[in-house]
Amino acid sequence: DAGVIQSPRHEVTEMGQEVTLRCKPISGHNSLFWYRQTMMRGLELLIYFNNNVPIDDSGMPEDRFSAKMPNASFSTLKIQPSEPRDSAVYFCASSAQGAPNEKLFFGSGTQLSVL
Amino acid sequence: QQQVKQSPQSLIVQKGGISIINCAYENTAFDYFPWYQQFPGKGPALLIAIRPDVSEKKEGRFTISFNKSAKQFSLHIMDSQPGDSATYFCAASYYSGGGADGLTFGKGTHLIIQP
Repeated sequence: DAGVIQSPRHEVTEMGQEVTLRCKPISGHNSLFWYRQTMMRGLELLIYFNNNVPIDDSGMPEDRFSAKMPNASFSTLKIQPSEPRDSAVYFCASSAQGAPNEKLFFGSGTQLSVL
Repeated sequence: QQQVKQSPQSLIVQKGGISIINCAYENTAFDYFPWYQQFPGKGPALLIAIRPDVSEKKEGRFTISFNKSAKQFSLHIMDSQPGDSATYFCAASYYSGGGADGLTFGKGTHLIIQP
């Protein structure tokens, strides 16, 4: 099992540019989560999907952020336009539905720097 | 999301000593309390977890102690080793019936084990 795969590993962009982060969850997992990690705020849940349907996006900071999950094996997190305060590590995680409080498997993250 | 408060922010322990990290929560609906371990450049990985029907869970050198009345739980690492040096996150969640829900994380403890 390859685990949760995120791309790119590092992204450097200029303020105002569009940024797209990608995630491939573990095959067979039905739930997908996007988290953001910063020194000041720690790990914040941005949005999560169950069976490709967004369940809770209350953690998405602004309308500049959007996430999609067109199928069970792919999700994107888009920031448009990006701002320097969006600089953080963005993690995708997946888990298997069927029992409460399933174990989350995290990807290695995307380090985003907005200049 | 309800808050989970974690302390200390950083911790230095001598090799062979006991590392103790504490967390407190507010939402009495929480029914699942995992600890995640994160190494630099990697995503968090589940270390050990507990449910409120037990007061202690032990896996190898790692033990969770849980105090439901005080709404507190802690991680104890016995015989701490340099390889345990990492960032540790406590977390909490509850099952709403809709499938896997997002975890609320503490802000993390940076643990250094000195040889």
